Amino acid sequence: DAGVTQTPRHEVAEKGQTIILKCEPVSGHNDLFWYRQTKIQGLELLSYFRSKSLMEDGGAFKDRFKAEMLNSSFSTLKIQPTEPKDSAVYLCASSFQTSSAETLYFGSGTRLTVL
Amino acid sequence: QQKVQQSPESLSVPEGGMASLNCTSSDRNFQYFWWYRQHSGEGPKALMSIFSDGDKKEGRFTAHLNKASLHVSLHIRDSQPSDSALYFCAASAQYNQGKLIFGQGTKLSIKP
Repeated sequence: DAGVTQTPRHEVAEKGQTIILKCEPVSGHNDLFWYRQTKIQGLELLSYFRSKSLMEDGGAFKDRFKAEMLNSSFSTLKIQPTEPKDSAVYLCASSFQTSSAETLYFGSGTRLTVL
Repeated sequence: QQKVQQSPESLSVPEGGMASLNCTSSDRNFQYFWWYRQHSGEGPKALMSIFSDGDKKEGRFTAHLNKASLHVSLHIRDSQPSDSALYFCAASAQYNQGKLIFGQGTKLSIKP
């Protein structure tokens, strides 16, 4: 079975650019999450979709970060404009909500470097 | 303020030894816990969940939860070099809700 696929694996951007990160969740999963990972802050939730509806948009990340889920098998995270402090690993995860414990499946992430 | 706190920040254990990791939630709403493990260059992978007081054992891994203090620990016996990774504790408000709040992680190194 295919896991969560994220592209690209690495992205380098100049300050002020717009970048779009992509995610394909596990087929059949109805929850999708975007997290940002840094050494200082650890894993921070950016956005959360349930059955394509935006449930949470990450509060402090609302300004320049916009996640979309155009269909159940594809999501994007747009950062506009990028700043050097956005340099991090961006992780996408999906899961299937059931009546029992819900486990997240993560992609390998996109490492973003903003110069 | 971080709602899920992990300790120690890093830990070195000899091969074959016991590794013990700790985690506390500061929000009583978040009382369902998971442990995730992340190897370098990969995304985190779920190790186990624990929702009830007491111990839960899966192979070499044992989790312990104290709901009164919202403290959870992970013990790895007979540690192997392949256990070297970043370990995250995560908490949620419901057992079947995917939104997880993660701790900052404990870096575990197993020395051959």
